[in-house]
Amino acid sequence: RKEVEQDPGPFNVPEGATVAFNCTYSNSASQSFFWYRQDCRKEPKLLMSVYSSGNEDGRFTAQLNRASQYISLLIRDSKLSDSATYLCVVNHSGYSTLTFGKGTMLLVSP
Amino acid sequence: EAGVAQSPRYKIIEKRQSVAFWCNPISGHATLYWYQQILGQGPKLLIQFQNNGVVDDSQLPKDRFSAERLKGVDSTLKIQPAKLEDSAVYLCASSSLDGAYNEQFFGPGTRLTVL
Repeated sequence: RKEVEQDPGPFNVPEGATVAFNCTYSNSASQSFFWYRQDCRKEPKLLMSVYSSGNEDGRFTAQLNRASQYISLLIRDSKLSDSATYLCVVNHSGYSTLTFGKGTMLLVSP
Repeated sequence: EAGVAQSPRYKIIEKRQSVAFWCNPISGHATLYWYQQILGQGPKLLIQFQNNGVVDDSQLPKDRFSAERLKGVDSTLKIQPAKLEDSAVYLCASSSLDGAYNEQFFGPGTRLTVL
């Protein structure tokens, strides 16, 4: 089982749509979780951290289910500018390093 | 605040040649990372430095890859000799605190093509 697995994508959605990305991780002792965004041919940038209680930042909502080892990202009212690859990122207990998933590409069309 | 700087941005070499990449982290950031990102994959950590000491190099192919961070600021990553499968984007990142719990800031990357 891969350490961090994401929906393969790409997701093609119209503007205004709601889209959800899923991610699972293999190490039950993982302690910190993030979503990074990577535009085409650019570097990854932090989108948001994911907390056990769930957290929201404008149109973006992230949730964590430790029992199921599952992380999600919900984007409401999609904009053209949301088109990018979304990377699920996990820290494994005992290490100060991060493991990235392959990413899920989102394409928002007019 | 200036971001993470990397050079060169692009490099094309033939297999068995050597290549070196340079990274200057954000001023004051103690932790520096080198990642390899192959097309269609997420970044994979090669090596992590805390100041000028190595924290994790478990995924660095040490027979051909080497990295150093002299004086705890700039860093260089070297490949010698290069193989076709080394074609990738090499990303440098830095963080002010423990990057496992805090944001890592990435540079623009060096796109390496090995022919």
